[in-house]
Amino acid sequence: EPEVTQTPSHQVTQMGQEVILRCVPISNHLYFYWYRQILGQKVEFLVSFYNNEISEKSEIFDDQFSVERPDGSNFTLKIRSTKLEDSAMYFCASRENRDNQPQHFGDGTRLSIL
Amino acid sequence: DQQVKQNSPSLSVQEGRISILNCDYTNSMFDYFLWYKKYPAEGPTFLISISSIKDKNEDGRFTVFLNKSAKHLSLHIVPSQPGDSAVYFCAASAETQGGSEKLVFGKGTKLTVNP
Repeated sequence: EPEVTQTPSHQVTQMGQEVILRCVPISNHLYFYWYRQILGQKVEFLVSFYNNEISEKSEIFDDQFSVERPDGSNFTLKIRSTKLEDSAMYFCASRENRDNQPQHFGDGTRLSIL
Repeated sequence: DQQVKQNSPSLSVQEGRISILNCDYTNSMFDYFLWYKKYPAEGPTFLISISSIKDKNEDGRFTVFLNKSAKHLSLHIVPSQPGDSAVYFCAASAETQGGSEKLVFGKGTKLTVNP
């Protein structure tokens, strides 16, 4: 069964450094998402991406964050200057371009900011 | 932000019995509801969904019920199996102009099925 893959599984970065989290969505999916889960809290929406542009973003997704689909398969989340509070699990998801289709999630990247 | 609430942090049932997980929502614009299962160190795995035009959807051992007037949905697992032990998340989305359909999650309920 096709799946969403994320790399790396764990990323440790010094505060203030840039980090790029990578995702390969399911191949025929056209909507892409990033979510995060801070330890002990809910899974929260960050951003959605369709047709090579952001379709919606949350308040969390400030100027330090950016997303890109650099080629036909990868979808990346960049955090420009990481803060301690960016430590979380980051999940990528994708879904088909039809109404009421479930989003399928990757196994996440655990980001630890030191 | 408490748009989707799962008020039971944990639930323990015996193998073979029914597990009932509950979820409440406050946003009347939500029109699509999903249940995800999550094991440690893995991402949420889609289990079953229901659109707001239905009140029940069934897939094997899993049935989701939606009560729009009460803004309540539930997931029934019968019979429960030890492999069902996981954290279950309720999620909801609303159709938007941009088609984003971002998901709003509950906090999750940890289900333990005892052999």
